[in-house]
Amino acid sequence: ILNVEQSPQSLHVQEGDSTNFTCSFPSSNFYALHWYRWETAKSPEALFVMTLNGDEKKKGRISATLNTKEGYSYLYIKGSQPEDSATYLCASDGVPGNQFYFGTGTSLTVIP
Amino acid sequence: DVKVTQSSRYLVKRTGEKVFLECVQDMDHENMFWYRQDPGLGLRLIYFSYDVKMKEKGDIPEGYSVSREKKERFSLILESASTNQTSMYLCASSHLDTGATFYQETQYFGPGTRLLVL
Repeated sequence: ILNVEQSPQSLHVQEGDSTNFTCSFPSSNFYALHWYRWETAKSPEALFVMTLNGDEKKKGRISATLNTKEGYSYLYIKGSQPEDSATYLCASDGVPGNQFYFGTGTSLTVIP
Repeated sequence: DVKVTQSSRYLVKRTGEKVFLECVQDMDHENMFWYRQDPGLGLRLIYFSYDVKMKEKGDIPEGYSVSREKKERFSLILESASTNQTSMYLCASSHLDTGATFYQETQYFGPGTRLLVL
């Protein structure tokens, strides 16, 4: 079992603020890191998959970075909007083709 | 667009009942998964399947079984429901690239079934 941790557990920000949260994973046995957004009453939606150290991915106002040597990934949201309110999950799969190990998520609330 | 559907959004059952949760995906994915999500614990893998009639235990298989008779359908069975199985159940599917990297692509999730066992 891979120990994947996310922090903070929850976050409240004002509309327009930028924010970031962290996903930590074992740097040994790393294959890929996945980020998902899970809005209430909807399916978790894939945001990014990253595999290489130094990878940066961007989707609109959301971006993510990856450091496989130290075992962490950051997710950034620039200019948060109320529609960004969701739980953000990260998952690591330590062996290709094997199961994902999920963190407990960061719950983001953007206050209008 | 990948679509993963689950048979029910909400379900209320009594202790001891046999419960079936159905999941169907329309993208011809090889892999299918069942997770449960509980507050503070994140998504935990119950069972997964790489192919028709194949199944593998995840991290918390006790009290559950699964069935995969067709590629698109993966069923989770609670043989005798108990109150500690009250939870949100999520199904997912993914494509398995069996080329050189043997890489599992992104998992696509259904909307979840919230099960209450009384």
